[in-house]
Amino acid sequence: EDQVTQSPEALRLQEGESSSLNCSYTVSGLRGLFWYRQDPGKGPEFLFTLYSAGEEKEKERLKATLTKKESFLHITAPKPEDSATYLCVVGGTNAGGTSYGKLTFGQGTILTVHP
Amino acid sequence: NAGVTQTPKFRVLKTGQSMTLLCAQDMNHEYMYWYRQDPGMGLRLIHYSVGEGTTAKGEVPDGYNVSRLKKQNFLLGLESAAPSQTSVYFCASSYRGWGRTEAFFGQGTRLTVV
Repeated sequence: EDQVTQSPEALRLQEGESSSLNCSYTVSGLRGLFWYRQDPGKGPEFLFTLYSAGEEKEKERLKATLTKKESFLHITAPKPEDSATYLCVVGGTNAGGTSYGKLTFGQGTILTVHP
Repeated sequence: NAGVTQTPKFRVLKTGQSMTLLCAQDMNHEYMYWYRQDPGMGLRLIHYSVGEGTTAKGEVPDGYNVSRLKKQNFLLGLESAAPSQTSVYFCASSYRGWGRTEAFFGQGTRLTVV
């Protein structure tokens, strides 16, 4: 059975204190791994797509990396506006084909950055 | 860039009333989705569409209907609203199936059924 586990469940940082969020996954054939951020009362905002082990992507203070078993979302020198829930979503074999594919959601990491 | 636009943003219904939520995307995406998000439940798929004129059931389709008459629009209907349908509804779209490519979300519709 496909599984996605995010850790920690909640993370509190001081402004400028770099850290990483983890997404561990077990899927039957990875098609894509997706990172989103969601602010309270808003829709999930797309951040990154990773397709293969070794791939890395960056955007401002965020950097996402992927191995065969997990993905990390590194946050460098975070600011209070980075506070949000970060969601990891994994597409397994047959995901997104001619019919709706198999997606597995992590439970999210709630990040709070204090000034 | 409008992306995915949902209307309305908020709505209060009485039990038994009907309503339609509209989703519009301007990215020429083939796939569109309706999700609901409840506290502690994460995103749950209601219905989806893989192209104009097509619809399919997701995980929690009961009590909802959808239509995709135009590629850019995906409508979600509640024929007889129930308090259990109080939720935040999100529409999303993707170029290919979400899982192969990323999906983009609207800002949500907060629906309360009293």
